[in-house]
Amino acid sequence: KNQVEQSPQSLIILEGKNCTLQCNYTVSPFSNLRWYKQDTGRGPVSLTIMTFSENTKSNGRYTATLDADTKQSSLHITASQLSDSASYICVVSGRAGGTSYGKLTFGQGTILTVHP
Amino acid sequence: GAGVSQTPSNKVTEKGKYVELRCDPISGHTALYWYRQSLGQGPEFLIYFQGTGAADDSGLPNDRFFAVRPEGSVSTLKIQRTERGDSAVYLCASSLVRGHIKYFGAGTRLSVL
Repeated sequence: KNQVEQSPQSLIILEGKNCTLQCNYTVSPFSNLRWYKQDTGRGPVSLTIMTFSENTKSNGRYTATLDADTKQSSLHITASQLSDSASYICVVSGRAGGTSYGKLTFGQGTILTVHP
Repeated sequence: GAGVSQTPSNKVTEKGKYVELRCDPISGHTALYWYRQSLGQGPEFLIYFQGTGAADDSGLPNDRFFAVRPEGSVSTLKIQRTERGDSAVYLCASSLVRGHIKYFGAGTRLSVL
């Protein structure tokens, strides 16, 4: 069964600190992996998208890494701000030939809280 | 507005009733997706439209759920004989074509009492 597991489930950090969120997946064959940020009461917003040939991608203070061999990804947030408080969701898309083609498999998210 | 619009933002209904949730995708986007997000969970896929046709409806949980996109633009998710377990946020997303970045609406929060 295609699954995406994220850790930790929740995380509290102080403003200005760095943090790393983890994502492990079993979706195969793999097409791409995306990280989304979802603020309370809003729809998810895309942060990064990576295909199997990409190891890292940055978007401002967000840096995502991907190891397609071990099926692991991480999202690193640098110099956190209060506005980073949100749910961060890892989403994996399957490639043609697999049962997950055309579908996205979502992790349950990591809830990040940044305190002043 | 240029984003994905979903209406209503909140819907409260009684068990056994019929509800319709509407999604207006970004103009020109051919691919449209519906997801359901239960409390404390990540969204789960329901159905994907490419143009007017349902290219993948394998995520619909049972035959009480049905979705249409008659003109390849606006889509309606229909739920018959609602149950309390249907309570969730229903998210709609659209993309220019399949595989391109998806843009999500704010969702419709459905509460079945």
